[in-house]
Order: sequence, then structure tokens, then C-alpha cells
Amino acid sequence: NAGVTQTPKFQVLKTGQSMTLQCAQDMNHEYMSWYRQDPGMGLRLIHYSVGAGITDQGEVPNGYNVSRSTTEDFPLRLLSAAPSQTSVYFCASLTNYGYTFGSGTRLTVV
Amino acid sequence: AQSVSQHNHHVILSEAASLELGCNYSYGGTVNLFWYVQYPGQHLQLLLKYFSGDPLVKGIKGFEAEFIKSKFSFNLRKPSVQWSDTAEYFCALKHSQGNLIFGKGTKLSVKP
Repeated sequence: NAGVTQTPKFQVLKTGQSMTLQCAQDMNHEYMSWYRQDPGMGLRLIHYSVGAGITDQGEVPNGYNVSRSTTEDFPLRLLSAAPSQTSVYFCASLTNYGYTFGSGTRLTVV
Repeated sequence: AQSVSQHNHHVILSEAASLELGCNYSYGGTVNLFWYVQYPGQHLQLLLKYFSGDPLVKGIKGFEAEFIKSKFSFNLRKPSVQWSDTAEYFCALKHSQGNLIFGKGTKLSVKP
């Protein structure tokens, strides 16, 4: 997964807290996206961006915000964390050969 | 609507057994299809992809998949599995907007 960096790797939040999951890529890819992975559900798209300044909602956007001020960075914000947002989050960028995924952030909301 | 279905939730095999994981998709246009593997506690890694051309696609680690347009299928195969193939496997379809639509995944357990 060289080229897509996610931080942090693990995080525990209390209900109602906010936080930002960071995603950065150094491959100058225009397209980036955020997925969440839950057991038995596969990966579901939260938000995506086709370039700096352009974002759009995916399948499960509620409770999350994104912005894309630069090509390199695509942070995901949880405004008021809920236990239903306990999940593993993956950032991905699109290459000519497919998608490259970050190593993931395991988030627990208590 | 575009969608991906994986038929098996959990497959258990002995080492050296042959593997076939089913994947069907729903989409009427030109398809880009992928198989990803996720080893325990790790991120997704691309096994193989189909964009066009030869419908039999060979990937890494001895995996291959066959695109059958008439059946809307893209099944993953491996002639002889190893214990190290224990992982979860995801089939995915590239959406017309550029996003990936994933199946729910198939867990493969290989007994030594």
C-alpha cells in the first residue's frame, strides 16, 4: 500500500466526540475515497473526491464530512461520534492499475 | 443499480484442495472487475483485475479469474490452496462514477 498513508491506526472515542482521520497520498492521484468495513457488510463507500475542491457522497455519508483542499490530502471528519461508527476505515486512491488502499484505521466509539 | 454478489460467506478447505469463489455482478455497461484479498489484520491487496481483452485473467499468488459476460460472473480460482491463503476475498466492480462497489466478502479458511 505504498503511497497511501492513513493515521491513526487505532483510535477510541467517546460518544459525542469529534475527530479527523487523515489520509495522504504522494502519487498525485486525482481520485480518492473513504470506505468503512464492517463484518459481513464488505466495504461501503462513505465519500469520494475526483480532485481538489470536489467531493461527493457515497453510500453511507451520514455523520461524516470530507474536504479536499489539496490533491495530496483527503481527511475524513466525524462530527459527533456514535457507537454505530465503530468500524475499520480505509482510504483509497485510484491508479491506472486499480485502487491502492491505505492500511486502515480501526475506530471504536464507546 | 450496480451491485456485486458473492455467494459464499465462509469456505473451508484443506491444503491442496482447489478453490473457486463465486462473484456475480449487475451492470449493463462496460465492466471493470477486481478481486482483492485481505489477510487477517491487514489492508486490501489487489489480486487481479479485468478491464478488457482475454477473459481469463491471471493474478498474483497463483490466482486466476474468468470473466463470463453472458453469466455476469467473475469467479476466482486457484488449483491448489495453501494455509497461507487463509484470508477474506472481495470481488469489486468499478462504478460508472469511478467508485468501487464491493461484494460482502468470502472468508477462506485453509486447514493445514
